[in-house]
Amino acid sequence: KNEVEQSPQNLTAQEGEFITINCSYSVGISALHWLQQHPGGGIVSLFMLSSGKKKHGRLIATINIQEKHSSLHITASHPRDSAVYICAVGEKSSGDKLTFGTGTRLAVRP
Amino acid sequence: DAGITQSPRHKVTETGTPVTLRCHQTENHRYMYWYRQDPGHGLRLIHYSYGVKDTDKGEVSDGYSVSRSKTEDFLLTLESATSSQTSVYFCAISDWTVPQETQYFGPGTRLLVL
Repeated sequence: KNEVEQSPQNLTAQEGEFITINCSYSVGISALHWLQQHPGGGIVSLFMLSSGKKKHGRLIATINIQEKHSSLHITASHPRDSAVYICAVGEKSSGDKLTFGTGTRLAVRP
Repeated sequence: DAGITQSPRHKVTETGTPVTLRCHQTENHRYMYWYRQDPGHGLRLIHYSYGVKDTDKGEVSDGYSVSRSKTEDFLLTLESATSSQTSVYFCAISDWTVPQETQYFGPGTRLLVL
């Protein structure tokens, strides 16, 4: 079973700061997902990536397959970015199932 | 937003009573999942379905059963609710037209078992 670890568990930032959230996993994967859970509880998918880098607005996700590590970056952070960010990985051997990290709780202060 | 609804959104029940949670989708996606979310744990898979009448267990399936008689509906049943089943339950769907496709989540159901 893949072990997915996220760091930090909690993060507080000032508006405008550059933020990095890390995710490490133990077993080779076929895809990694970044999800955002809003304070109201809803979960949305931000990225799915298997190599390289993806960018959407102020969010950038990178993955290093050899090091089994991914990072989620938020540029010019804003209070509306306050949420829990969740990393999840899928393995070829697990077919259609994902293993989730416990999440990073981000608070961005104005 | 993917068309996924969950019902009920909140439920309080007593230990020993049966509870059924419903997930309904309008996307015609093949795969549907039930997760539970608890403090200190990541989302954990309870059961999933890869087609009508095709279901399989996840990592925390004890005490739960599921049914999928139509593409759009996936039911999760707690046969005899226990306090350890107090949790937030999320349904998710995915299409898997490509490997490991994105999962889309419902709004969640908060269940309190007294």
